[in-house]
Amino acid sequence: DSGVTQTPKHLITATGQRVTLRCSPRSGDLSVYWYQQSLDQGLQFLIQYYNGEERAKGNILERFSAQQFPDLHSELNLSSLELGDSALYFCASSVGGADEQYFGPGTRLTVT
Amino acid sequence: AQSVTQPDIHITVSEGASLELRCNYSYGATPYLFWYVQSPGQGLQLLLKYFSGDTLVQGIKGFEAEFKRSQSSFNLRKPSVHWSDAAEYFCAVGDGNQFYFGTGTSLTVIP
Repeated sequence: DSGVTQTPKHLITATGQRVTLRCSPRSGDLSVYWYQQSLDQGLQFLIQYYNGEERAKGNILERFSAQQFPDLHSELNLSSLELGDSALYFCASSVGGADEQYFGPGTRLTVT
Repeated sequence: AQSVTQPDIHITVSEGASLELRCNYSYGATPYLFWYVQSPGQGLQLLLKYFSGDTLVQGIKGFEAEFKRSQSSFNLRKPSVHWSDAAEYFCAVGDGNQFYFGTGTSLTVIP
């Protein structure tokens, strides 16, 4: 158990819909990262937050957004969902920006 | 830009045999280097990390990795593989802001 929690574990929704994925970092970690893992694209970095502020952006689509709240939990919002958005979405946390990341168990999103 | 290459998409070894998974990186300065393991349906678990100092680092589950600056490599090794080591292995490099992951190497262990 990494100490990072993600909810929900599974999510099935239809194209065009919007979903919110939630992540709680390990106690004491200030950085939260979001990743997308699919069979054809591998593990893709989406976005990083540090202590409530956006720190780095990766291959995140404009239809996706994230935020980190004062209690340091983070949410990833995915809108106008397409079939290709079906993937595992991982959250990770670290103490700072350069430290090792600890991954949550992931949310499996299926878009039908 | 930083990048990580894992040249072996899939490796098969016999139980008890030694293992080496290759990782090459592209980074201007001394990188932070990591190896993660992912079992089916699970999240990624940190095996080991290199920040500085001794270039041979020990990790969990009997794994070790060696940082070779001249070859821009950080290969993962294990002297004797167990069936439970079958998983996907990811190398990553950190630059202080982002992590860059390799595409992973899938390890199959034959009894």
